[in-house]
Amino acid sequence: DTGVSQDPRHKITKRGQNVTFRCDPISEHNRLYWYRQTLGQGPEFLTYFQNEAQLEKSRLLSDRFSAERPKGSFSTLEIQRTEQGDSAMYLCASSSDSFYGYTFGSGTRLTVV
Amino acid sequence: TQLLEQSPQFLSIQEGENLTVYCNSSSVFSSLQWYRQEPGEGPVLLVTVVTGGEVKKLKRLTFQFGDARKDSSLHITAAQPGDTGLYLCAGAWGGSNYKLTFGKGTLLTVNP
Repeated sequence: DTGVSQDPRHKITKRGQNVTFRCDPISEHNRLYWYRQTLGQGPEFLTYFQNEAQLEKSRLLSDRFSAERPKGSFSTLEIQRTEQGDSAMYLCASSSDSFYGYTFGSGTRLTVV
Repeated sequence: TQLLEQSPQFLSIQEGENLTVYCNSSSVFSSLQWYRQEPGEGPVLLVTVVTGGEVKKLKRLTFQFGDARKDSSLHITAAQPGDTGLYLCAGAWGGSNYKLTFGKGTLLTVNP
């Protein structure tokens, strides 16, 4: 297993465009998480899945953000009508039920210009 | 909303020195984890503590969980330049160990 994979590593987009990120978790892990991190801050929770079910979504997440995990394997995070304030590192992590800890991917760095 | 306070926010020391960073909350953790993050990468898990008073060691790193499970510390002995990075604590509350809340981190620089 190669760990948690995120694609793309970097994305530059113009304000108002839509972007989609992909996360492939560790295959044995049934839980998948999305976090956002800005400079000088720790990761901020966005949403999480157990298998294909989205169990929780942050109240900070506007309606422009949506996440899916259609078959309980990979996940996508879409941001519609991007704004400059969306510029951040988007981190995906996974865990199993018996593992008290996350394995993070390397993140996707989004820059909105 | 649960809050985690980490201190200090920045720490710059010379190689060979010892250091301690702290993580505090007003609420009782069900579990607490420490991660290390390098620039442009995701955090990497160092340790998980669950039991009040627990002490865990990882080479030159010593992690302690407070008796009341509201605070934790990370002590590094004889720091090396390779220890440079952002140290993050993350806590879970309310019986769920799955959703973590992260502190802002301590940015450590170890100068040769």
